[in-house]
Amino acid sequence: SAVISQKPSRDICQRGTSLTIQCQVDSQVTMMFWYRQQPGQSLTLIATANQGSEATYESGFVIDKFPISRPNLTFSTLTVSNMSPEDSSIYLCSVGQGVLAKNIQYFGAGTRLSVL
Amino acid sequence: DQQVKQNSPSLSVQEGRISILNCDYTNSMFDYFLWYKKYPAEGPTFLISISSIKDKNEDGRFTVFLNKSAKHLSLHIVPSQPGDSAVYFCAASTTGNQFYFGTGTSLTVIP
Repeated sequence: SAVISQKPSRDICQRGTSLTIQCQVDSQVTMMFWYRQQPGQSLTLIATANQGSEATYESGFVIDKFPISRPNLTFSTLTVSNMSPEDSSIYLCSVGQGVLAKNIQYFGAGTRLSVL
Repeated sequence: DQQVKQNSPSLSVQEGRISILNCDYTNSMFDYFLWYKKYPAEGPTFLISISSIKDKNEDGRFTVFLNKSAKHLSLHIVPSQPGDSAVYFCAASTTGNQFYFGTGTSLTVIP
């Protein structure tokens, strides 16, 4: 399985600022995913990041709020823009591996974000 | 709308006994199901999966059962060990597409 490093592990931010979360994988992967887990809720997919193309966003998430970069096959960033307290969540990146790339997803440790 | 539900937020089991974690889903198109385990301050770790063409998959102490007619799956851990104490998430997908996760069940195995 892939080893995924995610930075920062946690942060406390002020309302109106932005935070960029980095995700580094130890092997080349086609598909990377960004999830959010709000308190007491399930993991919700924000977007799928494919190298060389625009990220695909799920319903309820927009590029202006969550811009994503995928410059190569081992790295991606998610920015949480113009933050509000409602953005306080755990943000997780994952990669898909398997016969079909999405068959199994492996996760980073997550970024715990608190917005004041 | 929550397509995957774990109705028990927590479960406590004595060491050595069986732990049974349950998961229900609403979308009959789901054909692939997974269980993940999550320790505090770590990301979810893949545990076991099952395809809809099967009704059981076993891996050591972990067995997943799938009842397609009831849209229900369960994870059995036998025997339970204190190191199994974690939050368990079930997930479902149509193969090759988005995963949908449940809200998790926090398992505590009492020594």
